[in-house]
Amino acid sequence: EDQVTQSPEALRLQEGESSSLNCSYTVSGLRGLFWYRQDPGKGPEFLFTLYSAGEEKEKERLKATLTKKESFLHITAPKPEDSATYLCAVQLFSGGYQKVTFGTGTKLQVIP
Amino acid sequence: DAEITQSPRHKITETGRQVTLACHQTWNHNNMFWYRQDLGHGLRLIHYSYGVQDTNKGEVSDGYSVSRSNTEDLPLTLESAASSQTSVYFCASSVGAGPITGELFFGEGSRLTVL
Repeated sequence: EDQVTQSPEALRLQEGESSSLNCSYTVSGLRGLFWYRQDPGKGPEFLFTLYSAGEEKEKERLKATLTKKESFLHITAPKPEDSATYLCAVQLFSGGYQKVTFGTGTKLQVIP
Repeated sequence: DAEITQSPRHKITETGRQVTLACHQTWNHNNMFWYRQDLGHGLRLIHYSYGVQDTNKGEVSDGYSVSRSNTEDLPLTLESAASSQTSVYFCASSVGAGPITGELFFGEGSRLTVL
């Protein structure tokens, strides 16, 4: 069964304390991996797309990387405004059609 | 600016009533989607559409229906609301015609409570 697992479920960091969020997947036919940011009471906001192992994308303090089994979202010197839930999603070909499966997210809190 | 709007943002209804959640996008995107988000389950796909007159079932489509009469709108209807359908519903859209892409633009969500 195709699965997407994010860890940790929650993470509390001091401002400036760098860390990484993990998204592991057990899927066949991966077509892409996506990271989203979701603020409370809002819809998810697209951050990155990764298509192949070894690929990296950066945006401000965030860097996403991809291997054959997992993706990491590295947060360098986070600020309180980085507090949000970060969602991972995989696009795969299954049962004759393409679908996108989301993980349950990592809730990040950055303390000033 | 182009956007995707959902209405109502909050709704309380009773078991057995029909409910329609509206979704309107001004990006002229072909693909539109409805997801529900529940604690412990992440976002789950209810229905999706690749274009006008096209609708498809997602992984949790039982009890829901959609119709696509124009590019901009994809209303979601709960035929007979059940307590299990209490959730936050998100509409999304994406560029392109055909296969689902994970680069989605989401609305702000509609919180539905079924009593």
